[in-house]
Amino acid sequence: EVQLVQSGAEVKKPGESLKISCKGSGYSFTSYWIGWVRQMPGKGLEWMGIIYPGDSDTRYSPSFQGQVTISADKSISTAYLQWSSLKASDTAMYYCARRVAAQEVDYFDYWGQGTLVTVSS
Amino acid sequence: DIQLTQSPSFLSASVGDRVTITCRASQGISSYLAWYQQKPGKAPKLLIYAASTLQSGVPSRFSGSGSGTEFTLTISSLQPEDFATYYCQQLGTFGGGTKVEIK
Repeated sequence: EVQLVQSGAEVKKPGESLKISCKGSGYSFTSYWIGWVRQMPGKGLEWMGIIYPGDSDTRYSPSFQGQVTISADKSISTAYLQWSSLKASDTAMYYCARRVAAQEVDYFDYWGQGTLVTVSS
Repeated sequence: DIQLTQSPSFLSASVGDRVTITCRASQGISSYLAWYQQKPGKAPKLLIYAASTLQSGVPSRFSGSGSGTEFTLTISSLQPEDFATYYCQQLGTFGGGTKVEIK
């Protein structure tokens, strides 16, 4: 069974750093892209970026380039999303998802349960 | 960047109704379109990919159509468990969402 299990909720202060995780199981972790999606409170979904754990090829949405870092450790089937200096506006639910990409198809078929990040002084 | 515009952003419907949600792309995107359902407090769930292919396990009352710049998600007979928010997605962009509520 394919599963993506994310790390638990975080409460941080502005300016602090943070790294959240997404552990894949039940499939070949190095053969699928992993994406990160932000959902601010009461708002829609925003595509942040993707990583291919097989070779760490990473792509970012222009909106998130330079704001976050996506990485992966294929030895432990885990992808990460990190911030070096959090802002209050980073308060959101963050989802990881497995991306299927091929000719004429591109979608997220399995999703993690989400990690709630709260940034408040 | 491609923009995806969903309409309506909100709709009120009754159990048994036929519901159609539209997703318009700012430029042609072939069939690279997926639809997701999200219920409050839950992760999104894939319903349809490649514009019209039903994901395994998704009820057949859901269907998708379209190509190029205009796509639709149709629920043929709305069920109580279908009240949720629906999003379209193409590559690195999501639509703004359509909330389906009970009339």
